[in-house]
Amino acid sequence: DSGVTQTPKHLITATGQRVTLRCSPRSGDLSVYWYQQSLDQGLQFLIQYYNGEERAKGNILERFSAQQFPDLHSELNLSSLELGDSALYFCASTPTPASTDTQYFGPGTRLTVL
Amino acid sequence: AQSVTQPDIHITVSEGASLELRCNYSYGATPYLFWYVQSPGQGLQLLLKYFSGDTLVQGIKGFEAEFKRSQSSFNLRKPSVHWSDAAEYFCAVGSQGAQKLVFGQGTRLTINP
Repeated sequence: DSGVTQTPKHLITATGQRVTLRCSPRSGDLSVYWYQQSLDQGLQFLIQYYNGEERAKGNILERFSAQQFPDLHSELNLSSLELGDSALYFCASTPTPASTDTQYFGPGTRLTVL
Repeated sequence: AQSVTQPDIHITVSEGASLELRCNYSYGATPYLFWYVQSPGQGLQLLLKYFSGDTLVQGIKGFEAEFKRSQSSFNLRKPSVHWSDAAEYFCAVGSQGAQKLVFGQGTRLTINP
């Protein structure tokens, strides 16, 4: 158990819908990262937050957005869902934004878009 | 841009045999290199990491990896695999000042009894 929690574990929804994925980082960690794992693209970095502020952005679609709240949990919002958005979404956390910090990954949320 | 190649999509070895998983990276400066393991239905767990110093890195579960700058490689090794090592293995590269990790496509390891 990495100490990073993600809810829900599974999510099944229809095209065009909007969903919210939630991540709670390890106790004491201030930085949160979101990754998408799909069969087509593999594991891809989406976005990073540090202490409530966006820190780095990767291959995140405009239909996707994220935020980190004052209690440090983070939410990834996916809207106008398409079949291709079906994937495993991981959250990871680190104590600081330093690239030498080990990223600890949560168990992921599996999103299925029908 | 950083990139990682794991040439082997799937490897099968017998229990007790030695293992080597290949990883090649592309990055202009000094890379930070990682190996993660993903068991079915689980998140990613860090096996080991390399930032600088000794090029042979020891990790958890008896794994080690060697950084070879001349070959742009960071291969993962284990002298004797156990059935519980069956999983997907990911090599990743990061760098100073860049928080994101760039992952390879992964190598699925199957262990024959």
